[in-house]
Amino acid sequence: SQQGEEDPQALSIQEGENATMNCSYKTSINNLQWYRQNSGRGLVHLILIRSNEREKHSGRLRVTLDTSKKSSSLLITASRAADTASYFCATDQAGTALIFGKGTTLSVSS
Amino acid sequence: NAGVMQNPRHLVRRRGQEARLRCSPMKGHSHVYWYRQLPEEGLKFMVYLQKENIIDESGMPKERFSAEFPKEGPSILRIQQVVRGDSAAYFCASSPPIGTADNNEQFFGPGTRLTVL
Repeated sequence: SQQGEEDPQALSIQEGENATMNCSYKTSINNLQWYRQNSGRGLVHLILIRSNEREKHSGRLRVTLDTSKKSSSLLITASRAADTASYFCATDQAGTALIFGKGTTLSVSS
Repeated sequence: NAGVMQNPRHLVRRRGQEARLRCSPMKGHSHVYWYRQLPEEGLKFMVYLQKENIIDESGMPKERFSAEFPKEGPSILRIQQVVRGDSAAYFCASSPPIGTADNNEQFFGPGTRLTVL
């Protein structure tokens, strides 16, 4: 069954704008991870946030986690055309398989 | 340090043939995971293996699919008598031994895109 659900399904913005993607999940987790996938390519790990963390930063990325609402958000600041990709959240419940959402397709136009 | 390697990158099979997908984990990693991605979908877990052991195969179809991770050599995902519905991208991921990293951060390979004609 699907654990993570990303919102929105698709997002189109201009270069320089911020992009915010949300992820909701259903059960308790050890951590939540965000991945990027360029069209037809593999997944690139962006950031991991543990269940006892509320916010994490990595470069232009900011991730928040609200375990009471079972939700997470990924913010990309000052977006670039190269950020165009699909973004997936994945939850780790038991330290084994990751459960992925369907992803948000981000399109950044110059 | 090479990342996770998968081959072939693209595989075309006719219905009824067998497909063999190979995955070499990152150096030092002893855990391998296989995921399947259908078009416009997220990744779905199939199987989790350690050397010579299947730990969790709850995501594997009951028939025609099998996986192994021998003591030597790559992990193999085998699909017998392929059907059109098997067309998908198959991704392998690896992670280090438990105790060396408690995050279950998984490193993904580039995937094998299987097309069944």
